[in-house]
Amino acid sequence: AQKVTQAQTEISVVEKEDVTLDCVYETRDTTYYLFWYKQPPSGELVFLIRRNSFDEQNEISGRYSWNFQKSTSSFNFTITASQVVDSAVYFCALSEPKNSGGSNYKLTFGKGTLLTVNP
Amino acid sequence: GAGVSQSPRYKVAKRGQDVALRCDPISGHVSLFWYQQALGQGPEFLTYFQNEAQLDKSGLPSDRFFAERPEGSVSTLKIQRTQQEDSAVYLCASSQRGNTEAFFGQGTRLTVV
Repeated sequence: AQKVTQAQTEISVVEKEDVTLDCVYETRDTTYYLFWYKQPPSGELVFLIRRNSFDEQNEISGRYSWNFQKSTSSFNFTITASQVVDSAVYFCALSEPKNSGGSNYKLTFGKGTLLTVNP
Repeated sequence: GAGVSQSPRYKVAKRGQDVALRCDPISGHVSLFWYQQALGQGPEFLTYFQNEAQLDKSGLPSDRFFAERPEGSVSTLKIQRTQQEDSAVYLCASSQRGNTEAFFGQGTRLTVV
């Protein structure tokens, strides 16, 4: 069964610090997608990134970077030079289309990490 | 519309009351999902539509939960005889196709008293 574990329930940092959010996943399939979403206090989930299981290249987007390691089933997310506006709950998620009937890319989410960036 | 729109944003229901939650997906999006998010938890899958067809309802917690998308656009999640354990945020998401990123609405916060 698919499972996503975000061991860090809450993280608090001071502005401009770097912070890494951990994500470990379990899957029985070789084809899957990994995602990160941000949930600010307003409630909507904001898409950040999708990564295909066959693409292990790390990705950088501005202050955000992601480290995908299949060997350890991890997909960690780093925010460089954090800002107060980064404060939110961050969710890692997994989608296994093959085991979901081929067309249903339903997401299995972790429990989320609450990041608080203090000024 | 510009994004996924859900209404109402907040709903308070007395135990035993029926409720209906509405989702307006992004225009042209084929796939539509409903998720339930309990306080302090990650969203959990409820059901999936491809156009008007409900292809997966494996996450619906009981037969009191019913979802429809009759014309392949707007969807309604109905909960009959609400119970306190139904209190949660109900999130709707849509995507162009199944394998593209899903865009989420702001959710409906349901409180059953």
